[in-house]
Amino acid sequence: EDQVTQSPEALRLQEGESSSLNCSYTVSGLRGLFWYRQDPGKGPEFLFTLYSAGEEKEKERLKATLTKKESFLHITAPKPEDSATYLCAVRYMKTSYDKVIFGPGTSLSVIP
Amino acid sequence: DAGITQSPRYKITETGRQVTLMCHQTWSHSYMFWYRQDLGHGLRLIYYSAAADITDKGEVPDGYVVSRSKTENFPLTLESATRSQTSVYFCASRRGDRGFAFFGPGTRLTVL
Repeated sequence: EDQVTQSPEALRLQEGESSSLNCSYTVSGLRGLFWYRQDPGKGPEFLFTLYSAGEEKEKERLKATLTKKESFLHITAPKPEDSATYLCAVRYMKTSYDKVIFGPGTSLSVIP
Repeated sequence: DAGITQSPRYKITETGRQVTLMCHQTWSHSYMFWYRQDLGHGLRLIYYSAAADITDKGEVPDGYVVSRSKTENFPLTLESATRSQTSVYFCASRRGDRGFAFFGPGTRLTVL
């Protein structure tokens, strides 16, 4: 079954304590992996797109990496304003059309 | 203002009533999407549209109807609301065939 999973489900960090979030997928024919940030009561906001294994993207304290079956979102020295739910989504070839499925998200809390 | 908007932001209705959720984008993006977000399920695609007058089913289309007579608008109608349709609904748009989507702020719908 085509699936996207994320771990951990929830993560509490002290301010400045670096960590990583995981997104694993079982689909074939990856066309792109997306990371989004979602604040409470708001829609997801785009962060990164990764297309091939070995690719990395960075933005401020966030770095996203991609391997053949998973992606990591590394958070370096997080601040309280990084608290949010982080979603990953994969786009892949499904028979004759592209499909996008989202993972359930990781809820990150950064404590001052 | 430029962007993607949804209305209403909150809606309470009763079982059996018809409800229409509105979505409007100002970018003239070709693609538009409707998702629902529920705890434990993440974002699931209800319907999408590749252009005006072209719509197609997503993962969970039953009980929903969409139309797209104008590029900028993509309303979602629940013909006869059920309690299982209580959810947060997000509209999204995407410029072309690839790339990431921009999400609206969401509509929280409660069906009593």
